[in-house]
Amino acid sequence: DSGVTQTPKHLITATGQRVTLRCSPRSGDLSVYWYQQSLDQGLQFLIQYYNGEERAKGNILERFSAQQFPDLHSELNLSSLELGDSALYFCASSVTPGTEAFFGQGTRLTVV
Amino acid sequence: QQQVKQSPQSLIVQKGGIPIINCAYENTAFDYFPWYQQFPGKGPALLIAIRPDVSEKKEGRFTISFNKSAKQFSLHIMDSQPGDSATYFCAASRYGGGADGLTFGKGTHLIIQP
Repeated sequence: DSGVTQTPKHLITATGQRVTLRCSPRSGDLSVYWYQQSLDQGLQFLIQYYNGEERAKGNILERFSAQQFPDLHSELNLSSLELGDSALYFCASSVTPGTEAFFGQGTRLTVV
Repeated sequence: QQQVKQSPQSLIVQKGGIPIINCAYENTAFDYFPWYQQFPGKGPALLIAIRPDVSEKKEGRFTISFNKSAKQFSLHIMDSQPGDSATYFCAASRYGGGADGLTFGKGTHLIIQP
């Protein structure tokens, strides 16, 4: 167990809908990362937060947004969902940027 | 554009053998090269990492070899065990460490046969 908690574990939703994925980082970790894992694209970096502020952006679509709250948990919001958004979404956390990060078990999103 | 190319896609090795997984990168700004191990139903876990100022790093049975001029790096697993069966990902970053902006390879599905 990495100490990073992601909820829900599985999510099935219809095209056009909006979902929120939640991540609780390890105790004491200030940095949170979101990654998407799909069969065709592999693991892709989406976005990083550090102590509540956005720090880096990767291949995150405009339909997706995220935030890190004062208690350091993070949420990834996915809207206007398409079939191609079906993937595993991983959250990782680290004490600070540049230090070892630990991944959660992921949320498997299926868009039908 | 795939910035980190990983091969092979899958690999079967007998117990005790030495599986070798290779990665090549394009961006010379990368300065941190980790390997991750992922078991089914789990998230990736950091296995070992190297920076471009060294050519080799060993941690237990895992070794990274790094060739800066060729822009290639590889993972060797010594005395492989069935418990090493997993998917292995190489990655690269230009942010110096952690999970900051990692670019991952496509992964290698490794099976160690008893």
